[in-house]
Amino acid sequence: AQKVTQAQTEISVVEKEDVTLDCVYETRDTTYYLFWYKQPPSGELVFLIRRNSFDEQNEISGRYSWNFQKSTSSFNFTITASQVVDSAVYFCALRANNLFFGTGTRLTVIP
Amino acid sequence: DTGVSQNPRHKITKRGQNVTFRCDPISEHNRLYWYRQTLGQGPEFLTYFQNEAQLEKSRLLSDRFSAERPKGSFSTLEIQRTEQGDSAMYLCASSLLRGNTEAFFGQGTRLTVV
Repeated sequence: AQKVTQAQTEISVVEKEDVTLDCVYETRDTTYYLFWYKQPPSGELVFLIRRNSFDEQNEISGRYSWNFQKSTSSFNFTITASQVVDSAVYFCALRANNLFFGTGTRLTVIP
Repeated sequence: DTGVSQNPRHKITKRGQNVTFRCDPISEHNRLYWYRQTLGQGPEFLTYFQNEAQLEKSRLLSDRFSAERPKGSFSTLEIQRTEQGDSAMYLCASSLLRGNTEAFFGQGTRLTVV
């Protein structure tokens, strides 16, 4: 069975603060892929980042960074120096065969 | 490339009527997914196709729901005898077959059952 848990339902931060969104996943597959998506108020889901199960190297891409730890089945996502335009719902997703989503974290960046 | 296209964008129907939604994926994408999303929830998996083969259906998907992808290109999702609980946003996504590739989403079809 596959499962994605995003325990944080809502987060509010003041502009320019850093914010980390948590994601914990469950899968029996040894090969899988993890993703983060953003859903702005306009509604369309937008891909942000991906990570393969066999590569635990953490990366930074602009203001985005992610921390993947297989030992704790976690795939956390950090936005550095948050901006008002980052306000959205963020979804963590797991793909082995199928593609499953968590319930999302609503991020509000206050100016 | 025009991305994933879904039609119609909005549909209002009376309870008990049948509705059909269409999804046109990105042309070279083998995989096509259907999801349902209600307010405050994440996308809930309904079914997915690899080319024309329907590989998995959610156990939550009642027999009133059926999906097809006859030529491995566009897909349709039909809901028969709609109920008020079917009101939701229906999302379609497509991706390449390789697991490490992301899925691209359409803008969705918002269904309201009155």
